Amino acid sequence: GAVVSQHPSRVICKSGTSVKIECRSLDFQATTMFWYRQFPKQSLMLMATSNEGSKATYEQGVEKDKFLINHASLTLSTLTVTSAHPEDSSFYICSVLPSGTYNNEQFFGPGTRLTVL
Amino acid sequence: SQQGEEDPQALSIQEGENATMNCSYKTSINNLQWYRQNSGRGLVHLILIRSNEREKHSGRLRVTLDTSKKSSSLLITASRAADTASYFCATLLSGGYNKLIFGAGTRLAVHP
Repeated sequence: GAVVSQHPSRVICKSGTSVKIECRSLDFQATTMFWYRQFPKQSLMLMATSNEGSKATYEQGVEKDKFLINHASLTLSTLTVTSAHPEDSSFYICSVLPSGTYNNEQFFGPGTRLTVL
Repeated sequence: SQQGEEDPQALSIQEGENATMNCSYKTSINNLQWYRQNSGRGLVHLILIRSNEREKHSGRLRVTLDTSKKSSSLLITASRAADTASYFCATLLSGGYNKLIFGAGTRLAVHP
């Protein structure tokens, strides 16, 4: 399967600052990547679909101006949490849908734990 | 609701016993996938079953799918302490959306 990395793995920031999280597909190209958020002891909630070369598609209730997504290349998508607040503290996970896959299997990154003080 | 439902929410068993987790979903699907997540870690893909399949095996895992009832089950046989984790089902919606919708998950604890 595809190897997906996320950076950083953990980040602690002050309220009001912006945080950028990177998701890289190390061995597959991916026109599509996904960003999920997971609160403690809860399931993964899809935030947005990141499309290379075009605007991301956000799920209902997710603020696109707060969670900026950039998919500038076929192997990199970034999620920027702007003006972070304590309620944004969560586990953010990306996944990669390798281009040309036929069974739509996604491969997940290890996640980034964001703590906003 | 974005999520499907899983039951039980939590399951505690002894090593060697079988563990069964159930998942229900709401819409037409392309396939259904099961994932494992150890505490605070990323997801590990366990098994995928397509909408035209009814049962699939992989090692100690057995997955069933009943599209008429919109439900699936994951059976882990001869459980081990290392199986302790959260297990999630995820459905891939039909219609080319490529979006995975995750269930609420089952927290499995296997005691030595």
